[in-house]
Amino acid sequence: KAGVTQTPRYLIKTRGQQVTLSCSPISGHRSVSWYQQTPGQGLQFLFEYFSETQRNKGNFPGRFSGRQFSNSRSEMNVSTLELGDSALYLCASSLPPAGEQYFGPGTRLTVT
Amino acid sequence: GESVGLHLPTLSVQEGDNSIINCAYSNSASDYFIWYKQESGKGPQFIIDIRSNMDKRQGQRVTVLLNKTVKHLSLQIAATQPGDSAVYFCAENPHGAGGTSYGKLTFGQGTILTVHP
Repeated sequence: KAGVTQTPRYLIKTRGQQVTLSCSPISGHRSVSWYQQTPGQGLQFLFEYFSETQRNKGNFPGRFSGRQFSNSRSEMNVSTLELGDSALYLCASSLPPAGEQYFGPGTRLTVT
Repeated sequence: GESVGLHLPTLSVQEGDNSIINCAYSNSASDYFIWYKQESGKGPQFIIDIRSNMDKRQGQRVTVLLNKTVKHLSLQIAATQPGDSAVYFCAENPHGAGGTSYGKLTFGQGTILTVHP
């Protein structure tokens, strides 16, 4: 069974631009969660989607948004990029009610 | 202001030794816990999980111990190998794994494990 895939793997953007990251969950998994990983803050939860609905949201500004499609694929968007948004963005999928989440390789975003 | 990075605890062991990685969790309502391994350039890899109705769970070469009284979790790796070198994270889920699972994990800061041949 294929794992979680994320595209693109690497991205360089300029301050003020916006970016869209994509995540395809493991086949059959209906929950997708997004995390931001930085050296300063570690792994932080962004939001979770299940059946196209946002079920939970972390403590991030409204510039961070996401959505989930009917095939469970998910995208997250960051608008008006700031230097501090440079991070590894990780997507994880799970099959409720089981709790274990399986992570993709991440998208490395660099904002210059 | 200046950004200060996390100072991750480190553990260095010799190949073949047993390793113990500790984690203190914060939320007494958490009832589901997971250990992840993250190698450089990769996403976290699921190792083992445990629910709060258990105090010990064993996998292949790994054992997780849960002490709810002091909110402490540990991961034991038997016969540690160089391929085990990575950053290890514990994660807690306050919504648990029973019923509807909310995919919001709170991660610890991580521990760097280095295994010397």
